[in-house]
Amino acid sequence: DTAVSQTPKYLVTQMGNDKSIKCEQNLGHDTMYWYKQDSKKFLKIMFSYNNKELIINETVPNRFSPKSPDKAHLNLHINSLELGDSAVYFCASSLRVRQGAGDTQYFGPGTRLTVL
Amino acid sequence: AQKITQTQPGMFVQEKEAVTLDCTYDTSDQSYGLFWYKQPSSGEMIFLIYQGSYDEQNATEGRYSLNFQKARKSANLVISASQLGDSAMYFCAMREGRGSEKLVFGKGMKLTVNP
Repeated sequence: DTAVSQTPKYLVTQMGNDKSIKCEQNLGHDTMYWYKQDSKKFLKIMFSYNNKELIINETVPNRFSPKSPDKAHLNLHINSLELGDSAVYFCASSLRVRQGAGDTQYFGPGTRLTVL
Repeated sequence: AQKITQTQPGMFVQEKEAVTLDCTYDTSDQSYGLFWYKQPSSGEMIFLIYQGSYDEQNATEGRYSLNFQKARKSANLVISASQLGDSAMYFCAMREGRGSEKLVFGKGMKLTVNP
């Protein structure tokens, strides 16, 4: 059974379009994340939600809007796509505990977004 | 300043040999966590091992061990008995502070295991 799943795996779209990526986790975790991996493989956090509440919002253009309908789902909607948005987007989840390995983040398979 | 530094862009190792992947970190927090992830060519991010700043023992998970040298702020990953399937990108990451949700990643390094 997939622990953290994302759809779609690949997304090819034209500049200016609006698209969404969906993420679901069945681990019972209460915190979910979106990361962006650029063409040089550098991973950077974008957003984090805990129990549907936004807790991390890095300096991301406001064309990116996360939505968490419940603690098992965190979707990423992107408006007016630009060439520079082409990247791999990873969803992750963890338990929000104060110490130890319990807060390990488990990643989804990634969504490769290509903006033409 | 970089929080996580992985200076080796790439390494080659013979199958069945051990290999050490370097990672140094920078933090002023007393409580932090260090993680290693593997990213094979298929693209997924796989959690390998965790080391807490207060852990007295070096973490081990099967063939993976973490050589944690707190004073030097290094958290090197040691893979024993390399296998062809170990060929991948490896990322070191740090969570600063208690309860912080943010993972900061290094640039990664590519390991190639030769038969």
